[in-house]
Amino acid sequence: DGGITQSPKYLFRKEGQNVTLSCEQNLNHDAMYWYRQDPGQGLRLIYYSQIVNDFQKGDIAEGYSVSREKKESFPLTVTSAQKNPTAFYLCASDKTGGSSGDQPQHFGDGTRLSIL
Amino acid sequence: SQQGEEDPQALSIQEGENATMNCSYKTSINNLQWYRQNSGRGLVHLILIRSNEREKHSGRLRVTLDTSKKSSSLLITASRAADTASYFCATPVYNFNKFYFGSGTKLNVKP
Repeated sequence: DGGITQSPKYLFRKEGQNVTLSCEQNLNHDAMYWYRQDPGQGLRLIYYSQIVNDFQKGDIAEGYSVSREKKESFPLTVTSAQKNPTAFYLCASDKTGGSSGDQPQHFGDGTRLSIL
Repeated sequence: SQQGEEDPQALSIQEGENATMNCSYKTSINNLQWYRQNSGRGLVHLILIRSNEREKHSGRLRVTLDTSKKSSSLLITASRAADTASYFCATPVYNFNKFYFGSGTKLNVKP
């Protein structure tokens, strides 16, 4: 079955450390997204990519970085510059092909990041 | 600023009752989507309603859209304990090919 795989499920970061969250999809989707979710809150967009080798900042990109070298993969690095990284991180993808917004997003099961 | 905002923030009902949650948004849209999130899991797409549709059904789900009021509602009929989850509306941001998600309604269905 096609889907999105996020790993690891739980991740702990030490002070001053960069950590990378993995997101892989086999849905042949062009667009991929990273969201941050804080307890009891909605989703906030960190970065998104509509095509390989291209990505755009979302609403809260500071302290994060991404790459999109392959269509299937969109890893997120939480850098030491992100002072409050404790959150639930969700990766999503959709077919896109335009800005109609009529494609459903498919989500992974998230990575929970905590500070040690 | 955020587009979609759900109301109420939390809802607790008995199994068998209907659950209604609302979403308000700020700018014109061509469509609106509803998603469900079980605790500790990713979001799952439930239904999409287009701006030229006033109502749409999918199983026990009924979604309405009122573009004049910039609002949508999600009705779950004959709720089950398994419907316990958070529900989010998502509105597209066309120029940037992305979505805004509201803060969600947390539904608790008591058996």
